[in-house]
Amino acid sequence: GQQVMQIPQYQHVQEGEDFTTYCNSSTTLSNIQWYKQRPGGHPVFLIQLVKSGEVKKQKRLTFQFGEAKKNSSLHITATQTTDVGTYFCAGRTGNQFYFGTGTSLTVIP
Amino acid sequence: NAGVTQTPKFQVLKTGQSMTLQCAQDMNHNSMYWYRQDPGMGLRLIYYSASEGTTDKGEVPNGYNVSRLNKREFSLRLESAAPSQTSVYFCATIPQAGYTEAFFGQGTRLTVV
Repeated sequence: GQQVMQIPQYQHVQEGEDFTTYCNSSTTLSNIQWYKQRPGGHPVFLIQLVKSGEVKKQKRLTFQFGEAKKNSSLHITATQTTDVGTYFCAGRTGNQFYFGTGTSLTVIP
Repeated sequence: NAGVTQTPKFQVLKTGQSMTLQCAQDMNHNSMYWYRQDPGMGLRLIYYSASEGTTDKGEVPNGYNVSRLNKREFSLRLESAAPSQTSVYFCATIPQAGYTEAFFGQGTRLTVV
């Protein structure tokens, strides 16, 4: 079954509100990556986290990797309509590359 | 530089028909992956090839076969299509099965009727 779970599955926010998606793995991950998929598009790489407890920022996006390397989060501050899409986390176990179930973000203008 | 190219982009099959989805990359990457994407299920790994000459099953391999024809090409075959295989299929490549990002093709939208 799915080894990487994400919550929530869907999120609707007013433009300007914050948004957070959480990713949980049943196993310890070597690293975690985050991807964004626009409606009708393909996943596009955002960032990779490798170290336990690592925090990285990209403008309004903040990414965290848990101390046990089993969970991660993506937080968007003051959402904009351009943030619309589905956000996936992905983790590696051996040579297999597993994606989370994704969180679909809708931003209401 | 095309990156990762998938063909076809759209396909409609009748139950029981067979077809092959093609994936080609010009980035000299070692690892290639096939995923299917269904609503609420995220991206599920079907098969992968860590390097030329090797293939392995992922989470949902039943009903599919793959061929790593050479370093550039990794094909996915449906021998006898079923409605449950209606999905969007993505091919992805990684320079090596390690700490690097995945590059995706544009996807193939398959409908089995």
